[in-house]
Amino acid sequence: DARVTQTPRHKVTEMGQEVTMRCQPILGHNTVFWYRQTMMQGLELLAYFRNRAPLDDSGMPKDRFSAEMPDATLATLKIQPSEPRDSAVYFCASGLGWSQYFGPGTRLLVL
Amino acid sequence: GQQVMQIPQYQHVQEGEDFTTYCNSSTTLSNIQWYKQRPGGHPVFLIQLVKSGEVKKQKRLTFQFGEAKKNSSLHITATQTTDVGTYFCAGENTGFQKLVFGTGTRLLVSP
Repeated sequence: DARVTQTPRHKVTEMGQEVTMRCQPILGHNTVFWYRQTMMQGLELLAYFRNRAPLDDSGMPKDRFSAEMPDATLATLKIQPSEPRDSAVYFCASGLGWSQYFGPGTRLLVL
Repeated sequence: GQQVMQIPQYQHVQEGEDFTTYCNSSTTLSNIQWYKQRPGGHPVFLIQLVKSGEVKKQKRLTFQFGEAKKNSSLHITATQTTDVGTYFCAGENTGFQKLVFGTGTRLLVSP
């Protein structure tokens, strides 16, 4: 049963530190999405890639967030420097077209 | 920007009662998807609707897409405790190729 995997599952860090989250999409899926979920804002699309090319990252704070796909089996989301307001669950999802399969998420707490 | 609202935000029902959540978009959608997220879990894709007025059923779940392609509903007949979770609609805005998630409806089912 193919699944999207994300690491780490939990991360506690201090303000100002760099955070890197990783995602392995389902093999064969050509689209990868990064979402952030908080109680206040709900589920927000941060960025997405199709065939490894970034299509839209307008939902992402540009000054501190960056998303990349160094190869077809790995997507990364980096926050530098992290701030307490970045505390959230970060989901990666992959898909063919628009049906999306979510990973278990990375629960981030920035102190 | 595009907004997708869902009502109600929260509903608590007794097992066996019916449940409906409504999804309304500020703009016309090319398609709409529904996801379910269990407490502590990740969103799981349920279904996609594409055609105006489309109705699809999955066992006790009935999904509808409005004639104007700006609204949708999910109806659960005879709820069970396993239906507990938050139900999200997600719309693709015509011409923008961007999925926007609704605010979600949290369902609690008491035995």
